[in-house]
Amino acid sequence: LAKTTQPISMDSYEGQEVNITCSHNNIATNDYITWYQQFPSQGPRFIIQGYKTKVTNEVASLFIPADRKSSTLSLPRVSLSDTAVYYCLVGDEEGGSQGNLIFGKGTKLSVKP
Amino acid sequence: DTGVSQNPRHKITKRGQNVTFRCDPISEHNRLYWYRQTLGQGPEFLTYFQNEAQLEKSRLLSDRFSAERPKGSFSTLEIQRTEQGDSAMYLCASSPRDYSDTQYFGPGTRLTVL
Repeated sequence: LAKTTQPISMDSYEGQEVNITCSHNNIATNDYITWYQQFPSQGPRFIIQGYKTKVTNEVASLFIPADRKSSTLSLPRVSLSDTAVYYCLVGDEEGGSQGNLIFGKGTKLSVKP
Repeated sequence: DTGVSQNPRHKITKRGQNVTFRCDPISEHNRLYWYRQTLGQGPEFLTYFQNEAQLEKSRLLSDRFSAERPKGSFSTLEIQRTEQGDSAMYLCASSPRDYSDTQYFGPGTRLTVL
């Protein structure tokens, strides 16, 4: 199974750029890297997905090195409302798992004023 | 597109009772997933449907759990003879077609078993 490792928690201040790095040493050739955000008492929300190099959308950027053994989610100029848990996931196609997401414990980001 | 909805949002029950949760996916989404999330942990996969067919079940889904998706639309998750260890947030997600598609999650149903 492709597992991920990410910091348990991070602190930041409003207006700063936040980078959360995730390790996934056993990522499979066909796996994509996906990040979700979750607020308390809500379901996870898709942020961004990538396969290699860099992906950017209106919310975040995702940097993936050539070996794809890690990835970095970059949140520009965070605000208090970005306080949430961020999950890094890789697709798991082994054992017949057809797309069920394997979540770790995530990174709890706390943004302070 | 109103998103994935789940009902009820909260459920308190006594140990040994049966409970049923409902999930309404985004219209025309073929795949529907159920996850369970306990405090401080990420969601754990329980089962998923491709249209009305239940294609995979996690070992977490004991015999007391059953899920259905009649006609490939809404889904229900039933837990029989609830135990305190069943207390968790039960999340539903849907995606358009196959495993590579983004999953859209509902707000969840929080179950408390007394």
